[in-house]
Amino acid sequence: DTGVSQDPRHKITKRGQNVTFRCDPISEHNRLYWYRQTLGQGPEFLTYFQNEAQLEKSRLLSDRFSAERPKGSFSTLEIQRTEQGDSAMYLCASSFAGKGTDTQYFGPGTRLTVL
Amino acid sequence: GESVGLHLPTLSVQEGDNSIINCAYSNSASDYFIWYKQESGKGPQFIIDIRSNMDKRQGQRVTVLLNKTVKHLSLQIAATQPGDSAVYFCAERGGGDYKLSFGAGTTVTVRA
Repeated sequence: DTGVSQDPRHKITKRGQNVTFRCDPISEHNRLYWYRQTLGQGPEFLTYFQNEAQLEKSRLLSDRFSAERPKGSFSTLEIQRTEQGDSAMYLCASSFAGKGTDTQYFGPGTRLTVL
Repeated sequence: GESVGLHLPTLSVQEGDNSIINCAYSNSASDYFIWYKQESGKGPQFIIDIRSNMDKRQGQRVTVLLNKTVKHLSLQIAATQPGDSAVYFCAERGGGDYKLSFGAGTTVTVRA
């Protein structure tokens, strides 16, 4: 399977703990996005990378959140001092910025539950 | 006059019938639109997209219609099958922007 992969698929943590999620984009895709989705809602944009550069961050991304894409391939999203309001599905998507429509393809998501 | 389809949070369809899912978008500057299907516990799956310079685009069993005058987008699914049961989201992207803005989603249930 050459789609976007995310790890772990599920994470249960206690309030105040730090968590880190990983996303592996589709090979050759130079753009990578993180979204957050709460129950019954559509995904909301968090941040975006072009290669290794983080080009945009949403106001949803508080200073407890940090994302990296060190070599322009996989990306990590870390949440420090988790809060119950952080419970959500965290989705990663990737795309290729070329001559096409730059279509974003999503991974299966990481479901975070903060107790 | 032309009617604008209402967004419905749920849609129940008889197997074999055609489905129409409506979406109203907000940004007049949006130039790219996309429909995703999301099954329970999975990430959104690409269905079909359309640029703002088009009014209609067809795929396999799906057709997307774009009405820029009233900022309305619809997804038509022909001969709906049980495997089409899912939540469907429309998303828009503004000119020069990269992030997608998603609509509220419509839950489609196919009755046997």
